[in-house]
Amino acid sequence: GAVVSQHPSWVICKSGTSVKIECRSLDFQATTMFWYRQFPKQSLMLMATSNEGSKATYEQGVEKDKFLINHASLTLSTLTVTSAHPEDSSFYICSVASGSSYNEQFFGPGTRLTVL
Amino acid sequence: DAKTTQPPSMDCAEGRAANLPCNHSTISGNEYVYWYRQIHSQGPQYIIHGLKNNETNEMASLIITEDRKSSTLILPHATLRDTAVYYCIVRFSQGGSEKLVFGKGTKLTVNP
Repeated sequence: GAVVSQHPSWVICKSGTSVKIECRSLDFQATTMFWYRQFPKQSLMLMATSNEGSKATYEQGVEKDKFLINHASLTLSTLTVTSAHPEDSSFYICSVASGSSYNEQFFGPGTRLTVL
Repeated sequence: DAKTTQPPSMDCAEGRAANLPCNHSTISGNEYVYWYRQIHSQGPQYIIHGLKNNETNEMASLIITEDRKSSTLILPHATLRDTAVYYCIVRFSQGGSEKLVFGKGTKLTVNP
C-alpha cells in the first residue's frame, strides 16, 4: 500500500498563531488527498478534499479561510490552521487515494495539535 | 451521516477469532463495504473491502450476507495488537473524490 507521512507528528502553539501541517505521499503521485480531524473519543470527520493544482473542496461547516489547504504537487498537501484557538486542538489526519480506481485510502500517522 | 451500525465495543480472547458485525440495511447495489481500523493515536489502516462475494486477505475475512444488508469482519486469530477501533464503511468504489464517512466504529479489546 501507499506510504503516507505527516509532519510534524505533534505541535503545541499559542492561541492566535498559525500552524502548518504537511502530508506527503512517499511512493506514488497522489492527485487527491483528504484531510480529517478527530477530537478525543470521537470518530474521524472529513474536513476537505485536496486536489492537485486546484482549489480544495471543503465539507459543510469547515471554514475555508481558517483551514488553508495547498496541494501544489502530486506528493505534498499542506493544511494551515490560521489564528489557531484552543477549540482547534485536535488530531489531524491526511489520506491519499490509491490507484486508478481509488479502491483504498491510505492514511498518514496523524498530527496532534494542541493550542494553548 | 454514516450508513452503518456497529456495536460500540467487543471483547475477544487472544488467539480466538474475532467476529465484528456491521449492519448496512440501506446499502445500494453499487456500494462497497469497507473495513478500516484505528489503533490508538494512529491513522486508520485499510483492512479489506467487498461488494457481494466473501473476501479474504492476509489480515481478515469479510462475510457479506446475500441480501447485503449486513456483514461480518473476521480476524481469525486475534492478537493483542489487534486491539483497535474497527470502522465499517459503505461507499462507491470508484471515483477519486469519493469520500469515506466514518461512523463511531467498534472498539475491539483483545484480552490475554
